[in-house]
Amino acid sequence: SQKIEQNSEALNIQEGKTATLTCNYTNYSPAYLQWYRQDPGRGPVFLLLIRENEKEKRKERLKVTFDTTLKQSLFHITASQPADSATYLCALRGSTLGRLYFGRGTQLTVWP
Amino acid sequence: DTEVTQTPKHLVMGMTNKKSLKCEQHMGHRAMYWYKQKAKKPPELMFVYSYEKLSINESVPSRFSPECPNSSLLNLHLHALQPEDSALYLCASSAPGVVYRHEQFFGPGTRLTVL
Repeated sequence: SQKIEQNSEALNIQEGKTATLTCNYTNYSPAYLQWYRQDPGRGPVFLLLIRENEKEKRKERLKVTFDTTLKQSLFHITASQPADSATYLCALRGSTLGRLYFGRGTQLTVWP
Repeated sequence: DTEVTQTPKHLVMGMTNKKSLKCEQHMGHRAMYWYKQKAKKPPELMFVYSYEKLSINESVPSRFSPECPNSSLLNLHLHALQPEDSALYLCASSAPGVVYRHEQFFGPGTRLTVL
């Protein structure tokens, strides 16, 4: 099975700064990697998917990179806002179609 | 409709009770999932239904019994649960037949407390 590590349990940054979250994985390289946001007591919300042949993907203030050599994905939120405060989960597809493995998540707090 | 709905939002049950969780989606997705999530932990996959057939059971105890009556509905029947089964139960759906579009859409979850 895939082992997924998200570099820190918690990240605190000031409003306006760029938040950078890391996701590392072991074993095989997945065809794609996903990032989700989860607010307390709620289900995860899909943010971005990046494929193995894509180096970078952007969506508004979000940017994801995928380095299959390093087995790592970086997730950036630029011009961060207090409303970005949440837990961000990295997820990789398992060997069986439909199975997703989630990292433990990084709890981001953006303070004014 | 791009939403996954779950009922009830909260459920408190005794160890001898029988209850059911319900999940519904109308996005035409043909894969549906049950996850269990404990506090400060990632969602853990329990079951996957693909085209209304159970395709993955992650060695879940038999006191949890899934059911997929049709392509829009997913149930999780609960019986003789233990206090350690208390968690947030999440339902999700996705479109399995679309290449590279395996993002999952999650419902808001049911917060289950077993006394």
